[in-house]
Amino acid sequence: DAGVTQSPTHLIKTRGQQVTLRCSPKSGHDTVSWYQQALGQGPQFIFQYYEEEERQRGNFPDRFSGHQFPNYSSELNVNALLLGDSALYLCASSLSGLAGVGETQYFGPGTRLLVL
Amino acid sequence: AQTVTQSQPEMSVQEAETVTLSCTYDTSENNYYLFWYKQPPSRQMILVIRQEAYKQQNATENRFSVNFQKAAKSFSLKISDSQLGDTAMYFCAFMLTNYGGATNKLIFGTGTLLAVQP
Repeated sequence: DAGVTQSPTHLIKTRGQQVTLRCSPKSGHDTVSWYQQALGQGPQFIFQYYEEEERQRGNFPDRFSGHQFPNYSSELNVNALLLGDSALYLCASSLSGLAGVGETQYFGPGTRLLVL
Repeated sequence: AQTVTQSQPEMSVQEAETVTLSCTYDTSENNYYLFWYKQPPSRQMILVIRQEAYKQQNATENRFSVNFQKAAKSFSLKISDSQLGDTAMYFCAFMLTNYGGATNKLIFGTGTLLAVQP
């Protein structure tokens, strides 16, 4: 059973460029959440996709956008890259549940983005 | 808004000994979940243990156990018989109970870097 996978593993971009990161959820999972982890910090929630819609969003600008496909895989897009966007981007998948059930999120290995 | 605080940036323990990592959180909600995740140098975030706030019994997973004090909003992780492979960054995380559909977001602390010494 494959876990959460992400591509690419590393990426180098220059300021102003655009980037797309990809995530495939764990088999059977239908919800994908994206997190940004700056060096030496805990992950910060960007947004979450469920049923191909953005369901929750953290405190990130509109330059960060995403998409979820019918097979539950997801993309994170960042436009007009800034130096401060350099970070590890983590994808986590989970299974939607009944009300009151807190489903565990399982993380992928991440994509290391460096903006020069 | 919910917050998670880990006051120990770094800790060190000798192999085979026991270590406790601290975590406090702040919320006005009554229904939530707490997690400890481990992030080794390879960087993949791995679930260590989870605790449902409505359960009084502390969660355990092999050598890992928690001390959950709901009134004090404290959630510490105890690692017994520490092993070299336990060396990693440990993150405490909070999640509100969902109300149907997608699960809620995780709110993380800043982490504690644990070094297990041979």
